[in-house]
Amino acid sequence: NAGVTQTPKFRILKIGQSMTLQCTQDMNHNYMYWYRQDPGMGLKLIYYSVGAGITDKGEVPNGYNVSRSTTEDFPLRLELAAPSQTSVYFCASNPGAGELFFGEGSRLTVL
Amino acid sequence: TQLLEQSPQFLSIQEGENLTVYCNSSSVFSSLQWYRQEPGEGPVLLVTVVTGGEVKKLKRLTFQFGDARKDSSLHITAAQPGDTGLYLCAGSTSGTYKYIFGTGTRLKVLA
Repeated sequence: NAGVTQTPKFRILKIGQSMTLQCTQDMNHNYMYWYRQDPGMGLKLIYYSVGAGITDKGEVPNGYNVSRSTTEDFPLRLELAAPSQTSVYFCASNPGAGELFFGEGSRLTVL
Repeated sequence: TQLLEQSPQFLSIQEGENLTVYCNSSSVFSSLQWYRQEPGEGPVLLVTVVTGGEVKKLKRLTFQFGDARKDSSLHITAAQPGDTGLYLCAGSTSGTYKYIFGTGTRLKVLA
């Protein structure tokens, strides 16, 4: 089982560049999430989605955008990258009131 | 704003010692989860508690949900080096699937 797949695993961006982190899940889960984790810290919720076509802001949405056109995919868009967005990004899915299943993470560095 | 504060932030103990990690909030949660995260990986679920006052045991780990569903604790008996990792609590409030994570407790068990 693939579970939650994130790409790319590593990326270096220059300040002001844009990029999209891809997230796909094959478990038919309605709920999907994007978190960021700074070194040694907990996870901060960026955006989440309760189903195709429905997204909502989390704790730290500024500088990011998401879309959910299908149940499987939940891409995270970074516009005008800043050094403060250097972090590890985790995508997760949830069947509903249960376990969060995480991808392996995407490590982003903005220089 | 929902906040989950964990204490202690760091803990370094000898093999065989007992320890307790706390997760506190001013918000009421419909469920609370505990995860463990290894370096370079996504968090993995340890347990979910849903009822105020609930106690769950998994081998040497004991989890408790506060009566008011605002706090939780994780107790490890006779810690082993394999318990080393980042421990995270996560909760969602009633009627939402917005999972917020705690600040994290980094545990190191020395052999």
